[in-house]
Amino acid sequence: GAVVSQHPSWVICKSGTSVKIECRSLDFQATTMFWYRQFPKQSLMLMATSNEGSKATYEQGVEKDKFLINHASLTLSTLTVTSAHPEDSSFYICSARGPLVAYEQYFGPGTRLTVT
Amino acid sequence: KQEVTQIPAALSVPEGENLVLNCSFTDSAIYNLQWFRQDPGKGLTSLLLIQSSQREQTSGRLNASLDKSSGRSTLYIAASQPGDSATYLCAVRPGREYGNKLVFGAGTILRVKS
Repeated sequence: GAVVSQHPSWVICKSGTSVKIECRSLDFQATTMFWYRQFPKQSLMLMATSNEGSKATYEQGVEKDKFLINHASLTLSTLTVTSAHPEDSSFYICSARGPLVAYEQYFGPGTRLTVT
Repeated sequence: KQEVTQIPAALSVPEGENLVLNCSFTDSAIYNLQWFRQDPGKGLTSLLLIQSSQREQTSGRLNASLDKSSGRSTLYIAASQPGDSATYLCAVRPGREYGNKLVFGAGTILRVKS
């Protein structure tokens, strides 16, 4: 149980275009989801906290107009990278707050974004 | 501000060895600490979660300890195998922060040679 999926697993897009990444909790409802990015050989950095039915809370230094987050249902959160640039190329990982153990997060498999 | 440090940054051992990975955090006021495994290009797999009131957790060949007062945790891997090769991440949930945010260390890259 407590499985989180992401789609797509990898995507290549051209500079200036937008790309959407989906994060789904498959067998539980998640009122809270989190979006992280990870650069090569570095750890995960929290970008934003996504709460179902309300606006996302962004970490300091993360542009909310560039990284649009929508958490429209209890099983789906989306991250849209708008007007992507090569420096946005990274590994994006989402997690969902689990249904059982208090405050445990379950992580998706990640999405590799490459902007050319 | 909570900061998490992991030592060593990389470790290479022969198969069969017992090994210890270290994690330290600057603010002892935490709700819990979690150890994860990450394979190259993959997401995170949770290995062990220790609540602040606990001293250790065990799962198979893995044992994680927590000394909250000193801001330290160790992950002990017994009889290491090549399949254990991965990056191991330590993360804490700060007690004073709202929102269930995890603070991650930079990880230890483990290579077990056959």
